[in-house]
Amino acid sequence: ETGVTQSPTHLIKTRGQQVTLRCSSQSGHNTVSWYQQALGQGPQFIFQYYREEENGRGNFPPRFSGLQFPNYSSELNVNALELDDSALYLCASSLKTSGAYEQYFGPGTRLTVT
Amino acid sequence: DQQVKQNSPSLSVQEGRISILNCDYTNSMFDYFLWYKKYPAEGPTFLISISSIKDKNEDGRFTVFLNKSAKHLSLHIVPSQPGDSAVYFCAALYYSGGYQKVTFGTGTKLQVIP
Repeated sequence: ETGVTQSPTHLIKTRGQQVTLRCSSQSGHNTVSWYQQALGQGPQFIFQYYREEENGRGNFPPRFSGLQFPNYSSELNVNALELDDSALYLCASSLKTSGAYEQYFGPGTRLTVT
Repeated sequence: DQQVKQNSPSLSVQEGRISILNCDYTNSMFDYFLWYKKYPAEGPTFLISISSIKDKNEDGRFTVFLNKSAKHLSLHIVPSQPGDSAVYFCAALYYSGGYQKVTFGTGTKLQVIP
């Protein structure tokens, strides 16, 4: 059983560009959440996908969008990058059942916007 | 709006002693509280959780206490070991529109001194 993987590990982009980050969920998991962790802060919830549909979103603008694929891999897309988008982006997969379901985090992608 | 607060950025404890990490929250609607542990270059790892209807949950060396009237929870690690040195995130979860939203605190860096 493989864990949650993310690619790339590090990325440098210029303000105004677009970026796509990728996540491969743990086998059997049907839910993926994306988080942004700025330096010195805790992870902040961006959105969650369940069975290929967004079913929850935090306080992030529409230029943050995502996709979840049938094999439960997913993407986070950010358009019109701003300097404040520089952060560690974490994805977490889980198996949605009743009760609180445990999330398994990937190691993250470090995005630097210059 | 910081709904989950960890007011101590760091904590140093001697090996074998008790580590107590604290967390305060403002939203009475949270359903579960969780603790995550994060090593450098890795994603957060789930440690222990507690339902909002409980006041204590224990798992080996780790115990979480919840004081709902004070909106406070704490994680006790007894005895502390050098391998426990990591950043610990307190998180709170509530169900909204069919998905679970997790809000993290800013983390406390624990150093266990051999």
